[in-house]
Amino acid sequence: EDQVTQSPEALRLQEGESSSLNCSYTVSGLRGLFWYRQDPGKGPEFLFTLYSAGEEKEKERLKATLTKKESFLHITAPKPEDSATYLCAVQGDYKLSFGAGTTVTVRA
Amino acid sequence: EAQVTQNPRYLITVTGKKLTVTCSQNMNHEYMSWYRQDPGLGLRQIYYSMNVEVTDKGDVPEGYKVSRKEKRNFPLILESPSPNQTSLYFCASSFSRGSLYYGYTFGSGTRLTVV
Repeated sequence: EDQVTQSPEALRLQEGESSSLNCSYTVSGLRGLFWYRQDPGKGPEFLFTLYSAGEEKEKERLKATLTKKESFLHITAPKPEDSATYLCAVQGDYKLSFGAGTTVTVRA
Repeated sequence: EAQVTQNPRYLITVTGKKLTVTCSQNMNHEYMSWYRQDPGLGLRQIYYSMNVEVTDKGDVPEGYKVSRKEKRNFPLILESPSPNQTSLYFCASSFSRGSLYYGYTFGSGTRLTVV
């Protein structure tokens, strides 16, 4: 069975304090690993897709990386507007499975 | 604008009264899916569809029905809603190219309360 585990559950950062979120996964045939940002009460917003180990994607202060067993979302010099829940999901042969998310709070 | 549109955004109903939540996408995506999100349980897939007239159960299909008669629409039907179906619901769509899948685009959500 496909599984996605995200850590930590919650992360409190000072503005400018860089950190990383982890997504470890087991999947039968990875067809894509996705990162989403979700604000309270809103739909998840697509950030990145990664397909193979070694791949990296960047967008503003966010950088996603992928190995064979896990993915990291690095937040560099975060700002308060980066506060959100970040979700990781993996697409296997048959279904898309989500992790429980990491809630990031950035204090000014 | 490319989007997934769900309606209604908010709905309060009574136990047993049939309801339909509509979902429409304008991106010609072949995949569509319904999720529910509950505190502490994350996003759980209810049903998904690979294309017109092709649907399959997700992780929590009990008490729900879907249909995919047109590519753009994927309504979620609750024949006899119960309080344990109170949740935040999301519709999403996506596509693939060969063996690679692309990220789902999500709707804005429907907050359903069953009393």
